[in-house]
Amino acid sequence: EPEVTQTPSHQVTQMGQEVILRCVPISNHLYFYWYRQILGQKVEFLVSFYNNEISEKSEIFDDQFSVERPDGSNFTLKIRSTKLEDSAMYFCASSEAGQGLAIAFGSGTRLTVV
Amino acid sequence: EDQVTQSPEALRLQEGESSSLNCSYTVSGLRGLFWYRQDPGKGPEFLFTLYSAGEEKEKERLKATLTKKESFLHITAPKPEDSATYLCAVQWASGYSTLTFGKGTMLLVSP
Repeated sequence: EPEVTQTPSHQVTQMGQEVILRCVPISNHLYFYWYRQILGQKVEFLVSFYNNEISEKSEIFDDQFSVERPDGSNFTLKIRSTKLEDSAMYFCASSEAGQGLAIAFGSGTRLTVV
Repeated sequence: EDQVTQSPEALRLQEGESSSLNCSYTVSGLRGLFWYRQDPGKGPEFLFTLYSAGEEKEKERLKATLTKKESFLHITAPKPEDSATYLCAVQWASGYSTLTFGKGTMLLVSP
């Protein structure tokens, strides 16, 4: 069964450093997303991406964050100048359509900022 | 503000003891209600999407139902492998594709 693949599974970074989280969405999907889950809290939406541009973003997704689809298969989340409060599980997700259909999630990247 | 509330926060069942999980939402137009299963340290695994009141969907021991204000996830004769956190998420008609998640119900099924 096709799945969303995320790398790395765990990343530790120093506060103030830049990190790039990588994702390979399901191949025939057109909509891509990043969500995050701080330990013990609910899953929160960050950003959605369609047709090479951001279609929606939350208040969390400020200038510190950016997304990119550098080629036909990868989708990345860049966090500039990481803060301690950025420590969380980051999930990439994808779907065939933007509304109503199932959104498939990857296994996540656990980001630890020290 | 649109809200998604799940109850109970945690539920412990004996193997074979059926029960239901609840997801209620404040309405500003529902496009779809999603149920996911999440195992520790893993991403949410899609279970069901419900679109309109009265709709029901089943998968093995799980059945999801939807009314105008809430959804239930019924678990019939659960097994230990059903132990997980069950997440409810809503896609609002006003938004485009964003999912708003509840906090989840942590289910533990003892043998």
